[in-house]
Amino acid sequence: KNEVEQSPQNLTAQEGEFITINCSYSVGISALHWLQQHPGGGIVSLFMLSSGKKKHGRLIATINIQEKHSSLHITASHPRDSAVYICAVLSNSNYQLIWGAGTKLIIKP
Amino acid sequence: ETGVTQTPRHLVMGMTNKKSLKCEQHLGHNAMYWYKQSAKKPLELMFVYNFKEQTENNSVPSRFSPECPNSSHLFLHLHTLQPEDSALYLCASSQDEPQGLNTEAFFGQGTRLTVV
Repeated sequence: KNEVEQSPQNLTAQEGEFITINCSYSVGISALHWLQQHPGGGIVSLFMLSSGKKKHGRLIATINIQEKHSSLHITASHPRDSAVYICAVLSNSNYQLIWGAGTKLIIKP
Repeated sequence: ETGVTQTPRHLVMGMTNKKSLKCEQHLGHNAMYWYKQSAKKPLELMFVYNFKEQTENNSVPSRFSPECPNSSHLFLHLHTLQPEDSALYLCASSQDEPQGLNTEAFFGQGTRLTVV
């Protein structure tokens, strides 16, 4: 079992829908990241979380340390949000970065 | 534009070829990383350089050879690769280690490598 699990693996939705992508992890962490990878390959860091909630534009990220779970939400989704969203956690035992496999999101107009 | 530039963007090479991937950042970062992303797999960390010194080598085959001549440039030299080495190779940089996650990591656009 992977130490970082994302769900769903693939998600297709209509423009305007509210999107939720989940990340569960099994190790102790000092930080959790959400990143976005566009079809060309480049990766952009969206959020770094260690507790609570962060918001940037239409993106919201939450983390529950006790439940070892984080969610990324997209409000009023748009086709340009189509990308792979990756969750990564920084282990607090060996400071290794552990990556999820990503969630491929397609937003149809 | 993240401030991390990788060249080339695409590379096709034969198994007997020698090629190099280049990564450049002028963000003033001290740490640089090479990652490999194979289809439908999580990112795999290959090498870490901090202040030009290699601090991590994650059991990467010797056919991949990194070079960090200064804190702004990172190379990945490739020779006698195998078809299974075909993947997206991503470079990243951060102010410091570990792996940039207590500070933000910035990624390049990646080099799509195909070994034929």
